[in-house]
Amino acid sequence: DTGVSQDPRHKITKRGQNVTFRCDPISEHNRLYWYRQTLGQGPEFLTYFQNEAQLEKSRLLSDRFSAERPKGSFSTLEIQRTEQGDSAMYLCASSHYTRKGAEAFFGQGTRLTVV
Amino acid sequence: AQSVTQLDSHVSVSEGTPVLLRCNYSSSYSPSLFWYVQHPNKGLQLLLKYTSAATLVKGINGFEAEFKKSETSFHLTKPSAHMSDAAEYFCVVSELKTSYDKVIFGPGTSLSVIP
Repeated sequence: DTGVSQDPRHKITKRGQNVTFRCDPISEHNRLYWYRQTLGQGPEFLTYFQNEAQLEKSRLLSDRFSAERPKGSFSTLEIQRTEQGDSAMYLCASSHYTRKGAEAFFGQGTRLTVV
Repeated sequence: AQSVTQLDSHVSVSEGTPVLLRCNYSSSYSPSLFWYVQHPNKGLQLLLKYTSAATLVKGINGFEAEFKKSETSFHLTKPSAHMSDAAEYFCVVSELKTSYDKVIFGPGTSLSVIP
Protein backbone atom coordinates (compact mmCIF):
# COMPACT_ATOMS: atom_id res chain seq x y z
CA ASP A 1 0.00 0.00 0.00
CA THR A 2 1.59 3.28 -1.08
CA GLY A 3 -0.91 5.61 0.56
CA VAL A 4 -0.42 7.85 3.59
CA SER A 5 0.23 5.81 6.69
CA GLN A 6 -0.07 6.89 10.29
CA ASP A 7 1.21 5.22 13.42
CA PRO A 8 -0.17 4.34 15.87
CA ARG A 9 -3.82 4.00 14.88
CA HIS A 10 -4.97 4.31 18.46
CA LYS A 11 -3.30 5.78 21.55
CA ILE A 12 -4.63 5.90 25.08
CA THR A 13 -2.58 7.99 27.49
CA LYS A 14 -2.87 9.46 30.94
CA ARG A 15 -3.27 13.16 31.36
CA GLY A 16 0.10 14.85 31.65
CA GLN A 17 1.99 12.32 29.55
CA ASN A 18 3.72 13.12 26.27
CA VAL A 19 2.70 11.40 23.05
CA THR A 20 4.22 11.31 19.57
CA PHE A 21 2.53 10.36 16.33
CA ARG A 22 4.18 9.53 13.05
CA CYS A 23 3.02 10.14 9.49
CA ASP A 24 4.58 8.67 6.37
CA PRO A 25 3.30 10.52 3.30
CA ILE A 26 3.16 9.29 -0.26
CA SER A 27 6.78 9.23 -1.31
CA GLU A 28 6.81 11.85 -4.07
CA HIS A 29 4.62 14.30 -2.17
CA ASN A 30 6.34 17.47 -0.99
CA ARG A 31 3.48 18.82 1.13
CA LEU A 32 2.35 17.34 4.39
CA TYR A 33 -0.56 18.51 6.52
CA TRP A 34 -1.72 17.76 10.05
CA TYR A 35 -5.37 18.10 11.03
CA ARG A 36 -7.35 17.43 14.18
CA GLN A 37 -10.89 16.09 14.08
CA THR A 38 -13.19 15.88 17.08
CA LEU A 39 -16.43 13.93 17.17
CA GLY A 40 -19.08 15.41 14.89
CA GLN A 41 -16.77 18.08 13.49
CA GLY A 42 -14.84 18.55 10.31
CA PRO A 43 -11.06 18.31 10.39
CA GLU A 44 -9.34 21.46 11.64
CA PHE A 45 -6.06 22.57 10.12
CA LEU A 46 -3.10 22.42 12.52
CA THR A 47 0.04 22.88 10.46
CA TYR A 48 1.69 22.05 7.20
CA PHE A 49 5.10 21.50 5.67
CA GLN A 50 6.52 21.98 2.25
CA ASN A 51 9.46 19.63 2.15
CA GLU A 52 11.13 20.13 5.55
CA ALA A 53 9.93 23.71 6.07
CA GLN A 54 6.97 24.28 8.39
CA LEU A 55 5.13 27.04 6.54
CA GLU A 56 2.14 27.66 8.73
CA LYS A 57 0.85 26.84 12.19
CA SER A 58 -2.74 27.28 13.28
CA ARG A 59 -3.59 29.14 16.46
CA LEU A 60 -5.02 25.80 17.57
CA LEU A 61 -1.47 24.58 17.89
CA SER A 62 -0.52 25.58 21.41
CA ASP A 63 3.02 25.56 22.77
CA ARG A 64 2.46 21.98 23.90
CA PHE A 65 2.28 20.85 20.28
CA SER A 66 5.27 20.53 18.02
CA ALA A 67 5.59 19.06 14.57
CA GLU A 68 8.67 18.19 12.60
CA ARG A 69 9.56 16.90 9.18
CA PRO A 70 13.33 16.72 9.44
CA LYS A 71 14.24 15.27 6.07
CA GLY A 72 11.20 16.29 4.12
CA SER A 73 9.81 12.78 4.25
CA PHE A 74 8.01 11.47 7.33
CA SER A 75 6.64 13.81 9.98
CA THR A 76 6.05 13.59 13.71
CA LEU A 77 3.53 15.41 15.84
CA GLU A 78 4.30 15.57 19.55
CA ILE A 79 1.92 16.65 22.27
CA GLN A 80 3.47 17.42 25.63
CA ARG A 81 1.61 17.32 28.95
CA THR A 82 -1.55 15.98 27.34
CA GLU A 83 -4.93 17.26 28.48
CA GLN A 84 -8.34 15.65 28.14
CA GLY A 85 -9.23 18.28 25.55
CA ASP A 86 -6.52 16.86 23.31
CA SER A 87 -8.61 13.73 22.77
CA ALA A 88 -9.35 13.65 19.05
CA MET A 89 -8.48 12.01 15.76
CA TYR A 90 -5.24 13.38 14.35
CA LEU A 91 -5.14 13.20 10.57
CA CYS A 92 -2.18 13.51 8.27
CA ALA A 93 -2.44 14.29 4.58
CA SER A 94 0.02 14.82 1.78
CA SER A 95 -0.06 16.36 -1.67
CA HIS A 96 2.29 17.18 -4.51
CA TYR A 97 2.56 20.90 -5.09
CA THR A 98 3.25 21.64 -8.71
CA ARG A 99 -0.12 23.01 -9.61
CA LYS A 100 -3.02 24.71 -7.95
CA GLY A 101 -5.53 22.52 -6.25
CA ALA A 102 -3.53 19.32 -6.04
CA GLU A 103 -5.47 16.63 -4.23
CA ALA A 104 -4.59 15.89 -0.63
CA PHE A 105 -4.47 12.21 0.28
CA PHE A 106 -5.35 11.37 3.84
CA GLY A 107 -4.17 8.70 6.19
CA GLN A 108 -6.61 6.85 8.41
CA GLY A 109 -5.61 8.89 11.41
CA THR A 110 -4.42 8.35 14.95
CA ARG A 111 -7.17 8.35 17.55
CA LEU A 112 -5.92 9.81 20.82
CA THR A 113 -7.78 9.28 24.07
CA VAL A 114 -6.51 11.12 27.14
CA VAL A 115 -7.81 9.66 30.39
CA ALA B 1 -10.18 34.81 4.73
CA GLN B 2 -11.65 31.68 3.33
CA SER B 3 -14.48 29.72 4.88
CA VAL B 4 -16.86 26.90 4.02
CA THR B 5 -20.48 26.53 5.05
CA GLN B 6 -22.41 23.31 4.74
CA LEU B 7 -26.02 24.26 5.16
CA ASP B 8 -27.30 20.95 6.45
CA SER B 9 -25.67 19.04 9.29
CA HIS B 10 -27.76 15.98 8.46
CA VAL B 11 -29.59 14.81 5.34
CA SER B 12 -31.78 11.74 5.11
CA VAL B 13 -32.96 10.28 1.78
CA SER B 14 -34.62 7.08 0.65
CA GLU B 15 -32.65 4.60 -1.39
CA GLY B 16 -33.03 5.35 -5.10
CA THR B 17 -33.96 9.02 -4.62
CA PRO B 18 -31.74 12.01 -5.47
CA VAL B 19 -29.13 13.38 -3.10
CA LEU B 20 -28.35 17.08 -2.65
CA LEU B 21 -25.68 18.22 -0.19
CA ARG B 22 -25.22 21.97 -0.10
CA CYS B 23 -21.98 23.90 0.22
CA ASN B 24 -21.21 27.61 0.09
CA TYR B 25 -17.79 29.13 0.35
CA SER B 26 -16.09 32.46 0.71
CA SER B 27 -12.66 33.15 -0.65
CA SER B 28 -10.56 36.18 -1.42
CA TYR B 29 -8.83 34.37 -4.23
CA SER B 30 -9.80 31.94 -6.94
CA PRO B 31 -10.31 28.77 -4.96
CA SER B 32 -10.13 25.11 -5.69
CA LEU B 33 -13.03 23.15 -4.24
CA PHE B 34 -13.33 19.53 -3.24
CA TRP B 35 -15.78 17.09 -1.77
CA TYR B 36 -14.48 14.36 0.51
CA VAL B 37 -16.37 11.42 2.00
CA GLN B 38 -15.63 9.76 5.31
CA HIS B 39 -17.12 6.38 6.12
CA PRO B 40 -17.11 5.26 9.76
CA ASN B 41 -13.63 4.21 10.89
CA LYS B 42 -12.25 4.91 7.43
CA GLY B 43 -9.95 7.59 6.06
CA LEU B 44 -11.14 10.57 4.06
CA GLN B 45 -11.61 9.83 0.38
CA LEU B 46 -11.76 12.38 -2.43
CA LEU B 47 -15.05 12.31 -4.36
CA LEU B 48 -14.35 15.10 -6.82
CA LYS B 49 -12.57 18.41 -7.29
CA TYR B 50 -12.97 21.71 -9.11
CA THR B 51 -9.82 23.56 -10.17
CA SER B 52 -11.06 26.28 -12.59
CA ALA B 53 -11.73 24.02 -15.54
CA ALA B 54 -15.26 22.79 -16.31
CA THR B 55 -17.82 24.08 -13.81
CA LEU B 56 -19.69 20.77 -13.74
CA VAL B 57 -17.44 18.20 -12.16
CA LYS B 58 -18.03 14.46 -12.18
CA GLY B 59 -16.63 12.30 -9.45
CA ILE B 60 -16.60 8.74 -8.28
CA ASN B 61 -19.64 6.63 -7.42
CA GLY B 62 -21.99 8.71 -9.56
CA PHE B 63 -21.53 11.98 -7.66
CA GLU B 64 -21.18 15.33 -9.34
CA ALA B 65 -20.98 18.96 -8.29
CA GLU B 66 -21.45 22.28 -10.03
CA PHE B 67 -19.35 25.33 -9.30
CA LYS B 68 -21.44 28.50 -9.41
CA LYS B 69 -19.29 31.54 -8.88
CA SER B 70 -22.19 33.99 -8.78
CA GLU B 71 -23.75 32.01 -5.93
CA THR B 72 -20.43 31.00 -4.34
CA SER B 73 -21.80 27.48 -4.19
CA PHE B 74 -20.49 24.00 -4.90
CA HIS B 75 -23.39 21.66 -4.17
CA LEU B 76 -22.94 17.89 -4.39
CA THR B 77 -25.57 15.78 -6.14
CA LYS B 78 -26.28 12.20 -7.07
CA PRO B 79 -29.32 11.06 -9.08
CA SER B 80 -30.03 7.93 -7.08
CA ALA B 81 -28.85 7.19 -3.55
CA HIS B 82 -27.40 3.82 -2.62
CA MET B 83 -27.19 2.37 0.86
CA SER B 84 -23.40 2.48 0.65
CA ASP B 85 -23.53 6.27 0.27
CA ALA B 86 -24.37 6.67 3.96
CA ALA B 87 -21.39 8.57 5.36
CA GLU B 88 -20.09 11.99 6.38
CA TYR B 89 -19.41 14.41 3.54
CA PHE B 90 -17.06 17.38 3.73
CA CYS B 91 -16.87 20.34 1.37
CA VAL B 92 -13.34 21.67 1.23
CA VAL B 93 -11.79 24.87 -0.11
CA SER B 94 -8.16 25.28 -1.03
CA GLU B 95 -7.00 28.81 -1.60
CA LEU B 96 -3.83 29.73 -3.43
CA LYS B 97 -2.18 32.37 -1.31
CA THR B 98 1.21 33.71 -2.35
CA SER B 99 3.35 30.62 -2.62
CA TYR B 100 1.24 28.21 -0.59
CA ASP B 101 -2.30 27.11 -0.10
CA LYS B 102 -4.30 25.93 2.82
CA VAL B 103 -7.04 23.35 2.89
CA ILE B 104 -10.11 24.30 4.95
CA PHE B 105 -12.90 21.84 5.71
CA GLY B 106 -16.55 22.58 6.18
CA PRO B 107 -18.31 21.19 9.25
CA GLY B 108 -19.64 18.18 7.37
CA THR B 109 -23.03 16.77 6.40
CA SER B 110 -24.08 13.35 7.62
CA LEU B 111 -26.00 11.46 4.94
CA SER B 112 -28.40 8.71 5.94
CA VAL B 113 -29.97 6.43 3.33
CA ILE B 114 -33.25 4.76 4.26
CA PRO B 115 -34.02 1.38 2.68
